[in-house]
Amino acid sequence: GAGVSQTPSNKVTEKGKYVELRCDPISGHTALYWYRQSLGQGPEFLIYFQGTGAADDSGLPNDRFFAVRPEGSVSTLKIQRTERGDSAVYLCASSFAGQGGTDTQYFGPGTRLTVL
Amino acid sequence: AQSVAQPEDQVNVAEGNPLTVKCTYSVSGNPYLFWYVQYPNRGLQFLLKYITGDNLVKGSYGFEAEFNKSQTSFHLKKPSALVSDSALYFCAVRDPLGGNFNKFYFGSGTKLNVKP
Repeated sequence: GAGVSQTPSNKVTEKGKYVELRCDPISGHTALYWYRQSLGQGPEFLIYFQGTGAADDSGLPNDRFFAVRPEGSVSTLKIQRTERGDSAVYLCASSFAGQGGTDTQYFGPGTRLTVL
Repeated sequence: AQSVAQPEDQVNVAEGNPLTVKCTYSVSGNPYLFWYVQYPNRGLQFLLKYITGDNLVKGSYGFEAEFNKSQTSFHLKKPSALVSDSALYFCAVRDPLGGNFNKFYFGSGTKLNVKP
């Protein structure tokens, strides 16, 4: 079946602009995660959804970052007043949650965000 | 605090030779350990995981990993490397006793180069 998809694959924006990044999880997966991967580093956790609610948003760096998942499927990561330091690859993952942390997360190809 | 270390930025090996990619971790309890591989411009692909039971875990593409509790390690191995194994490898840990066991902590990645 289809994997996790993310759009757009690349996004170039100017400093101060607003951007939205979209994630379509694997059908039936109740858990959805956002990570940020900077050049030369491993992914860093941003936020985790169980269903429609954000169960853990402790990784969001500041209040410019916000994510929603209104119907428990597609999620949108929103970044306001973008800064050059926000440039990174934003990865989305999904899984069957409720397994006490033993579930495997399946990752999308990512959105490469460049803030000029 | 939870953390993962991949001490080698890069591993070089000749095709046909065995390969090892190292990973050590730090968690408060018994860890859940994962390995992912990342090819250029693609998302992370799941290779294998250790949850409990046999310390030797077998995964995709002939890879295996050994959980060593006394050394807090989870090294990735393959008996005979292929040129197509060349990619970026990430070790990740979840802490079942942590505040949110759904969150992955990733290492910084190891670039594997397999030369023909």
